[in-house]
Amino acid sequence: RKEVEQDPGPFNVPEGATVAFNCTYSNSASQSFFWYRQDCRKEPKLLMSVYSSGNEDGRFTAQLNRASQYISLLIRDSKLSDSATYLCVANAGNNRKLIWGLGTSLAVNP
Amino acid sequence: DVKVTQSSRYLVKRTGEKVFLECVQDMDHENMFWYRQDPGLGLRLIYFSYDVKMKEKGDIPEGYSVSREKKERFSLILESASTNQTSMYLCASSFKDLPSYNEQFFGPGTRLTVL
Repeated sequence: RKEVEQDPGPFNVPEGATVAFNCTYSNSASQSFFWYRQDCRKEPKLLMSVYSSGNEDGRFTAQLNRASQYISLLIRDSKLSDSATYLCVANAGNNRKLIWGLGTSLAVNP
Repeated sequence: DVKVTQSSRYLVKRTGEKVFLECVQDMDHENMFWYRQDPGLGLRLIYFSYDVKMKEKGDIPEGYSVSREKKERFSLILESASTNQTSMYLCASSFKDLPSYNEQFFGPGTRLTVL
């Protein structure tokens, strides 16, 4: 079992739709969680950090459920420019490494 | 803006060649990382460094070595390239203190093909 698991998708949604991605992690020592965005043939870029119960940034909301060990990302009012792969990332406890999910692919269609 | 640059976007080498991949960051980050990214396997950590002349193995260090002689520069070396090292190589950097060390900034990547 991978330490960070995501549904690979692809998720195909129309513009304006709301879409949610889930991610589960297996290391209960993980304290910090992140969503990175990776456009096709580009490098990953930090989208949001999820440090406590969750946070919101415009159309994006990230939630953390420690009891069930999952993180979610909600995108409201999807734009064409949201089309990308979304990587779920967890800090690996005390050893400073990040554990990367394989990513969830999103395609927003006109 | 943080800037992480890598010496080449595309590189083609032959089996057995020694390959150097260079990475430079301009934000005075203490931490630097080398990953490779392959379809179906995701991002895998090869080596990382917390400070000058300091290095630690990641999850897949076999066949690779690194060098960090200056804070801003982290080099990945393939001692004798093999076809299974064909991949996208990504360099990243971050600050060393919580919570910033978890927030990594990536270079554009080097797509290496070993023939």
